[in-house]
Amino acid sequence: GDSVTQMEGPVTLSEEAFLTINCTYTATGYPSLFWYVQYPGEGLQLLLKATKADDKGSNKGFEATYRKETTSFHLEKGSVQVSDSAVYFCALSSNNAGNMLTFGGGTRLMVKP
Amino acid sequence: DTAVSQTPKYLVTQMGNDKSIKCEQNLGHDTMYWYKQDSKKFLKIMFSYNNKELIINETVPNRFSPKSPDKAHLNLHINSLELGDSAVYFCASSQGRQRNIQYFGAGTRLSVL
Repeated sequence: GDSVTQMEGPVTLSEEAFLTINCTYTATGYPSLFWYVQYPGEGLQLLLKATKADDKGSNKGFEATYRKETTSFHLEKGSVQVSDSAVYFCALSSNNAGNMLTFGGGTRLMVKP
Repeated sequence: DTAVSQTPKYLVTQMGNDKSIKCEQNLGHDTMYWYKQDSKKFLKIMFSYNNKELIINETVPNRFSPKSPDKAHLNLHINSLELGDSAVYFCASSQGRQRNIQYFGAGTRLSVL
């Protein structure tokens, strides 16, 4: 079945550091890929998405590129802020699963001033 | 107005009790979900309802029973609570075929003592 693997956290960075959170997936067919973010005390919200190979999703300074050859969708940000501290979830959906989401285990990011 | 609202936010109860968590969405969406997030932040889907009809029922004990009185509400009733039921439960909703764009509530933290 479909699955998503993320790097384990927590990831601790200083403000203005460069962020990478790795995500790889296993799926049949051509899934769509997503990053969701969960801020403390809140539900998940969609951060960005990409629906086909080589697409780049971007939002709030974050970006991720759909790499079919490496089955990856790594999340990056050039300069993190304290307000980016959250748990980040990589997810995929595929037509053969009714477009339902399959989530990775989540990666906690802590940004220190 | 909160798009997806869950009540209560916190629920502390004894083993063996029966409890309910309510969820309401005001987005006009036709599909609603319940997820369980364990202490390691893993997010697993439990149920999905489309227009008040059950479309997904993952391997969940039958002590858990979702109830959808209308398409804006999906409540979760849990009988005979066990220690292992302690988790954060999230409600979410989506519209039409975009089941991978989901809007989440802020979660209900259930603690079974």
